[in-house]
Amino acid sequence: DIQMTQSPSSLSASVGDRVTITCRASQSITNYLNWYQQKPGKAPQLLIYAAFSLQSGVPSRFSGSGSGTDFTLTISSLQPEDFATYYCQQTYSTPPGTFGRGTKVEV
Amino acid sequence: QVQLVQSGAEVKKPGASVKVSCKASGYTFTSYYMHWVRQAPGQGLEWMGIINPSSGSTSYAQKFQGRVTMTRDTSTSTVYMELSSLRSEDTAMYFCTRDAIPVAETFRFDPWGHGTLVTVSS
Repeated sequence: DIQMTQSPSSLSASVGDRVTITCRASQSITNYLNWYQQKPGKAPQLLIYAAFSLQSGVPSRFSGSGSGTDFTLTISSLQPEDFATYYCQQTYSTPPGTFGRGTKVEV
Repeated sequence: QVQLVQSGAEVKKPGASVKVSCKASGYTFTSYYMHWVRQAPGQGLEWMGIINPSSGSTSYAQKFQGRVTMTRDTSTSTVYMELSSLRSEDTAMYFCTRDAIPVAETFRFDPWGHGTLVTVSS
């Protein structure tokens, strides 16, 4: 299976900060990369698919970039509701479509 | 709107089985594959398997082969996930989640059910 490595595992930030989370695949996955946001006690929600396409209804402060093995999720100006855990997921080789271990964004 | 409503929390003893349901509404049930993903306490997300609600065909993660069974009832737009021979390591939140694109296995998950907590304890 393709392994997905996220960094950092957690980060501290403040409202208004620009936040960047990285995800590295163990082999090239072209642009088959999704990002999810999960708030405590809630189900994950799809934010970005195909590396940089914003899911309908997701604020434009979220953006994704990258291809091949290295990807980035950026929050341009962190809002209070953005404190959550973020997961990347590769869908190049499925099943199983492996997830990263998550990055917790906290105050 | 599209909704996935899951059954309530379960507490099971080691060795028992659990069956979790996921009732879909707001879209054509047979047009979208459904997946099951689980999350142990404080851990990440783990894909368990997929079911085609139209044909009933399934594919399971190797880790769960022989222990998991996914079925569907088209008359009630409900999918089920049964996990047998439960052990403490199966304590987790279990989510159903729909594939985002009709008649495709994209493994792009949207939306998700609210989750069903399964606790395995003696």
